[in-house]
Amino acid sequence: QLQLQESGPGLVKPSETLSLTCTVSGGSISSRSHSWGWIRQSPGKGLEWIGSIYYSGSTYYNPSLKSRVTISIDTSKNQFSLRLSSVTAADTAVYYCARGFRCDYWGQGTLVTVSS
Amino acid sequence: NFMLTQPHSVSESPGKTVTISCTRSSGSIASNYVQWYQQRPGSSPTTVMYEDKQRPSGVPDRFSGSIDSSSNSASLTVSGLKTEDEADYYCQSYDTSNVVFGGGTKLTVL
Repeated sequence: QLQLQESGPGLVKPSETLSLTCTVSGGSISSRSHSWGWIRQSPGKGLEWIGSIYYSGSTYYNPSLKSRVTISIDTSKNQFSLRLSSVTAADTAVYYCARGFRCDYWGQGTLVTVSS
Repeated sequence: NFMLTQPHSVSESPGKTVTISCTRSSGSIASNYVQWYQQRPGSSPTTVMYEDKQRPSGVPDRFSGSIDSSSNSASLTVSGLKTEDEADYYCQSYDTSNVVFGGGTKLTVL
């Protein structure tokens, strides 16, 4: 059974860079059939797609976040990562990683709070 | 980019049937598959419908999906409502380079 697990700091200071990693187990991240993506959910709000990456390194970002987002992939570790720069309180959210544009498998999510 | 619009909330009694709509703002609803996710409080979303009308294994056949090109919308119908169906439901669609979620609908079973 494919499993995804997010990890990273739960508290980030304003103006700094948020960094999260998603570790995939039970399957290979090098699959040509699927991309790997990040989605976030602000407290009490809906789901927002951040971006996705293929094993080849091709990336796709939400236009509203594109200037601050970098998603990378490490096939040797079966992981992919998110970096979101210049964060503000508005970036406080539960961050999920998921498989594919269809998001058929999700991680459990990790809460990241932006606060000084 | 297009947007997906859902009603903020719907409610119905146990045993009844409810339909949640998801309207696409531009472009044809039929041009890209629609998925539906159920999210209970404190949990990750799970897929209850994919590719417009396909049900993942383990999802009861009380759940069904459809699209309507005339209204440019997708719908998730839940029949024989149970209290366990109470949750937030999100529609989603994607194209070759973009993923869009609807704003979510809170289903209350009262």
